[in-house]
Amino acid sequence: EVQLVESGGGLVQPGGSLRLSCAASGFTFSDYEMNWVRQAPGKGLEWLSYISTGGGTIYSADSVRGRFTISRDNAKNSLYLIMNSLRVEDTAVYYCARDVFKGSSLPGYFKDWGQGALVTVSS
Amino acid sequence: EIVLTQSPGTLSLSPGERATLSCRASQSVSSSYLAWYQQKPGQAPRLLIYGASSRATGIPDRFIGSGSGTDFTLTVSRLEPEDFAVYFCQHYGSSLVTFGGGTKVEIK
Repeated sequence: EVQLVESGGGLVQPGGSLRLSCAASGFTFSDYEMNWVRQAPGKGLEWLSYISTGGGTIYSADSVRGRFTISRDNAKNSLYLIMNSLRVEDTAVYYCARDVFKGSSLPGYFKDWGQGALVTVSS
Repeated sequence: EIVLTQSPGTLSLSPGERATLSCRASQSVSSSYLAWYQQKPGQAPRLLIYGASSRATGIPDRFIGSGSGTDFTLTVSRLEPEDFAVYFCQHYGSSLVTFGGGTKVEIK
């Protein structure tokens, strides 16, 4: 069974930093591209970032480019999101999602999602 | 960036009725790289449809995706009680992924 478990969420002040982790199990992590998606309270879904299987290709949304960094450690079956210069509007549930769009080094569609990690940015 | 506009914002229907949800793209979606998700309160999204019309594993055949170019539709042929939820469309296969704003299907 595929499992994705996010951790590292919490309360942070504006301008602060946080690192989210996503622990993967139930599949060969190194074979799959991964993504981060967030959802502000009561709002829709916003894709944030994509990373290829080896980590050599990364794409990010304009809203977080330069502030958020996606990375992965295939030896540890883990995906990360380092978030800097956090803003109040970054308050959201953050999901990691397994990409199952094969044959293209581009973000695809997401078959499996974690349960989400809540990040609250507030003074 | 392709902007996806979903309509209506809310659909009020009764169990057993047909639901028709629209997703319109600001420019043509290449190779029908369009997916649909269902989300219930407090849960992560669930993949329903990819490639505009292919059902994901385990998705009942009452969920039907159709369309091409800029106009896509998700039809739920007969609503079951568990189908009342929010539905999102997603464009993929480009360096910028976008989601529609969502359609809430509520019980009338």
